[in-house]
Amino acid sequence: DGGITQSPKYLFRKEGQNVTLSCEQNLNHDAMYWYRQDPGQGLRLIYYSHIVNDFQKGDIAEGYSVSREKKESFPLTVTSAQKNPTAFYLCASSIIKGSIEAFFGQGTRLTVV
Amino acid sequence: KQEVTQIPAALSVPEGENLVLNCSFTDSAIYNLQWFRQDPGKGLTSLLLIQSSQREQTSGRLNASLDKSSGRSTLYIAASQPGDSATYLCVPTGANNLFFGTGTRLTVIP
Repeated sequence: DGGITQSPKYLFRKEGQNVTLSCEQNLNHDAMYWYRQDPGQGLRLIYYSHIVNDFQKGDIAEGYSVSREKKESFPLTVTSAQKNPTAFYLCASSIIKGSIEAFFGQGTRLTVV
Repeated sequence: KQEVTQIPAALSVPEGENLVLNCSFTDSAIYNLQWFRQDPGKGLTSLLLIQSSQREQTSGRLNASLDKSSGRSTLYIAASQPGDSATYLCVPTGANNLFFGTGTRLTVIP
């Protein structure tokens, strides 16, 4: 089945630790995105990538890092510099820049303990 | 910056009613507009995509319209069912990004 897979579904992090959220797609999409969702707020863009080995900061990139070594994969690392990391994280992909029909994964809920 | 507003923020209707969800956005220079639904704790499921050159799209009991010049879109749901209960998101898209409001939380009462 084609789609976007995020893992894990739930993730717990101790303060001061880095954690990496996985996002894989087999849709042959060029563009991939990471969003953060907090209760009562709209989704906010963290990073996006339109091509392998290139990515751009979104509106709230501080405390996060990404890589795009393969077309299918766009992992997000939440670093210890992110002061309020507890949130629901969503990964999306779309076929081409400029005509975005986006598809989303099922999300990862990150909790700092 | 693109601002998206969805009205109402929450809506509760009895099963079987027809309903309309409204969306407005401030920048009419969009590529297309998608309507998504989100169930609690889940990802977003695409319902309809309207290209900027189109005025409406239909899928089953759903019909979405787009008036790009006035910055408005509506989602019409016919004969609502309890399984339609979810948050509905109107998402206009630009060259590099999708733009999100906070959605409309719909509850359909059996």
